Amino acid sequence: QKEVEQNSGPLSVPEGAIASLNCTYSDRVSQSFFWYRQYSGKSPELIMSIYSNGDKEDGRFTAQLNKASQYVSLLIRDSQPSDSATYLCAVRHEDYGQNFVFGPGTRLSVLP
Amino acid sequence: DAGITQSPRYKITETGRQVTLMCHQTWSHSYMFWYRQDLGHGLRLIYYSAAADITDKGEVPDGYVVSRSKTENFPLTLESATRSQTSVYFCASSEGRTSPETQYFGPGTRLLVL
Repeated sequence: QKEVEQNSGPLSVPEGAIASLNCTYSDRVSQSFFWYRQYSGKSPELIMSIYSNGDKEDGRFTAQLNKASQYVSLLIRDSQPSDSATYLCAVRHEDYGQNFVFGPGTRLSVLP
Repeated sequence: DAGITQSPRYKITETGRQVTLMCHQTWSHSYMFWYRQDLGHGLRLIYYSAAADITDKGEVPDGYVVSRSKTENFPLTLESATRSQTSVYFCASSEGRTSPETQYFGPGTRLLVL
């Protein structure tokens, strides 16, 4: 079973700071990486996907991928209280077709 | 513009009863998935389907049955509910072609087995 680990939370940052969320995965052949945001009592929603080494930016969000280190991160700049949620890392491996393996999630609290 | 819907949203049942959770999507997505989400375990895949009449087991399939006679529907049945199946159940779908990997989630069903 491929494993996906995330830094244990909860993570608290002050409003306006950079929040850094980390994810490691066990299988070197994993191909695609995703960050989902889940508000309490709601369903997960996709924030970012990344497939190649390096950085991918979308507004205040930056995903960073390092396949050699089996590491993917999500940076949230200028954090807002509305960013308070659980962030799920998901990894797709070619052996699993369209299936993802999800990490346990990191709960982020942005303090006003 | 319904997208993906689940019913019921909340369900209380008793041990040993059969329960069916419904999932319906309006996008004609090829792939559909059932997950359960529990504290400490994150999202775990129960079953998935690549197309109508094609289903396969995920990580935690025991005690569950699925069918997919139509592309838009993917019901999940607990044949004889147990307390350990108390969870939040999410259905998801993905196109499998031009956007092969983005999974879109339904609102979830909260199931309590007494």
